[in-house]
Formats: sequence, structure tokens, C-alpha cells
Amino acid sequence: GENVEQHPSTLSVQEGDSAVIKCTYSDSASNYFPWYKQELGKGPQLIIDIRSNVGEKKDQRIAVTLNKTAKHFSLHITETQPEDSAVYFCAASRGYSTLTFGKGTMLLVSP
Amino acid sequence: GAVVSQHPSRVICKSGTSVKIECRSLDFQATTMFWYRQFPKQSLMLMATSNEGSKATYEQGVEKDKFLINHASLTLSTLTVTSAHPEDSSFYICSARGDRGGAGSYNEQFFGPGTRLTVL
Repeated sequence: GENVEQHPSTLSVQEGDSAVIKCTYSDSASNYFPWYKQELGKGPQLIIDIRSNVGEKKDQRIAVTLNKTAKHFSLHITETQPEDSAVYFCAASRGYSTLTFGKGTMLLVSP
Repeated sequence: GAVVSQHPSRVICKSGTSVKIECRSLDFQATTMFWYRQFPKQSLMLMATSNEGSKATYEQGVEKDKFLINHASLTLSTLTVTSAHPEDSSFYICSARGDRGGAGSYNEQFFGPGTRLTVL
């Protein structure tokens, strides 16, 4: 089955800096890679996703890149703000199979 | 769009009682709903997948007789924790996926806000 590794487990940055979270996956047939933001006591919120037919996707301060050859994808947050502080999860799936999640990254943005 | 609600948001019950959690897709039809369990500072653990009108598929190690799942309509799935014990205390989260080609196409899953269950 699919295995998703996520790094780092914690990430502390200063407000205004960029943050990068990286994930690797094992199943070369995986074709959908979402990123979720989870605030304390709340459910995960889909913030951006990418499909295997593109290499990069951007939405304002958030971008995701995908390297299918290396089987890794990354989340990039620019101009970080304190409200970006949360736990971020990457996930991967093949077709309509279940999502396999990474273990999460706790991002702390200090003012 | 793609809003999923859960009720209740938190529940405290006595050991031995049963608790029902509802998951609703508010603005799209969810042919498939998923139930997850999350322990503090850990990732989401898939418990089961339910398709409207059919029996749920449980992940290995999840007791189907203890965690009863019903997906009777395209907008509602319920999880009932039967004879709850303190070790069942956890954060339960549902997600919903729509029809292929409609809201939630591909494998987009939209999560509910979660239910905090505490069993005394």
C-alpha cells in the first residue's frame, strides 16, 4: 500500500518568512496530492491540492510542487502570518482509493 | 461550497452507553463518507468507508460491531459508538466525497469539524 513520509515534524519561522513542508510517497500510481491545515480542536481544511498531470499549483501565498520522478511533493507558504500557525498534513491517493496521510507538521509562526 | 457538518461537536458520556455522531454534507451529495479517529498530536486514522445505501467497509483492527456506521442518504452518515469505554475517548472526524465530476470530483475529501468524545 501507499506510504507517505512528511518532514519536518515541527517548523518554527518568523512572521514574514517562508515555510516549506516536504512529503514523499511510495506508490508511483498515486495521482492526487492534497494538503490540509488543521487548527487546534478543529477538522482538517483542504487548502490546496495537486494532481499528477501538473508540476506546480499556486493560490496566493500558498503553492505546491510535485516531482513525480522523485515521488515527492512540497507545500510552500510565503510571507507567513501568525494565523498560519497550525498542523499541516499532506496526503496521497491513487484514483478513488482512500487517502494516505503524512504524520503532520506543526507550523509555528512567531510575530 | 463543499461544507460538511458534524453533530455534536463534543460529547461526554458514561462508560457502557452508546453515542451517535452525525455527519452531513450541506451543499453537495456525498456518495462516499469516511470516518477517522485522531489521537492527540497524531495523524488521522481511517476507521471505515461508507457508501450511500451499502454496508461500510472497515479498516483492519476496527470493530464493526462497536463502531456502527450508517449511510442512509446522500447527505447523512452516522457513527454510533456502542458500549463506549474510556479507551474510546478520542476526536472523531468525518469527511465526504461527492460524485465523480460533481462537487468533490477526483478524490477531494471535505472534512467536518470533528466530534470530541469523552467517556467517563
